[in-house]
Amino acid sequence: AQSVTQLDSQVPVFEEAPVELRCNYSSSVSVYLFWYVQYPNQGLQLLLKYLSGSTLVKGINGFEAEFNKSQTSFHLRKPSVHISDTAEYFCAVSLIQGAQKLVFGQGTRLTINP
Amino acid sequence: GAVVSQHPSRVICKSGTSVKIECRSLDFQATTMFWYRQFPKQSLMLMATSNEGSKATYEQGVEKDKFLINHASLTLSTLTVTSAHPEDSSFYICSAILRPQKPNHGYTFGSGTRLTVV
Repeated sequence: AQSVTQLDSQVPVFEEAPVELRCNYSSSVSVYLFWYVQYPNQGLQLLLKYLSGSTLVKGINGFEAEFNKSQTSFHLRKPSVHISDTAEYFCAVSLIQGAQKLVFGQGTRLTINP
Repeated sequence: GAVVSQHPSRVICKSGTSVKIECRSLDFQATTMFWYRQFPKQSLMLMATSNEGSKATYEQGVEKDKFLINHASLTLSTLTVTSAHPEDSSFYICSAILRPQKPNHGYTFGSGTRLTVV
């Protein structure tokens, strides 16, 4: 079975500072990797995804993530955050073959302070 | 882009009553939809996978008689919480696959339903 671990439940950052949200996964087979953002009382919005190819993936809102197969990681980064980036961020995986469901990490609450 | 409409966004019901939540794919056909439950400040837990025209596949520990899922058409899946109790209060989110043959090119999420059982 697949699992996803987001190492930080909360990350406070000052505005315009860089941020990294960590994600590690466990799977015996190849997976696709995703980062989603959730604003209060809303559904999830896709930030970016890794399917294949270049390990550095660029997404919306200035976010990027790097897939590291040897470390089974998919950390999310942004060089300069804005107040509007305050939200919950979820890392997720799904199998390339077989079941199509997403398995989510526990989430990281990103709080941007002025 | 692909849009999934979830309705209602909020609902309050009395204990013992049933509540139906709808999830519609507005501009695409969704042969597979997923239903998630999210407790406050927690992650999304998959409840069931809904395939059009067939019975839903429930995750372990999810009561299928309590959480009835119907996926009667390619654009509509419904989740009915039967005989609701306060512990069923939660945030429920649906998701649809854009292209089933390439599912990981598009998971689209609804905006969620906040259910409060009093």
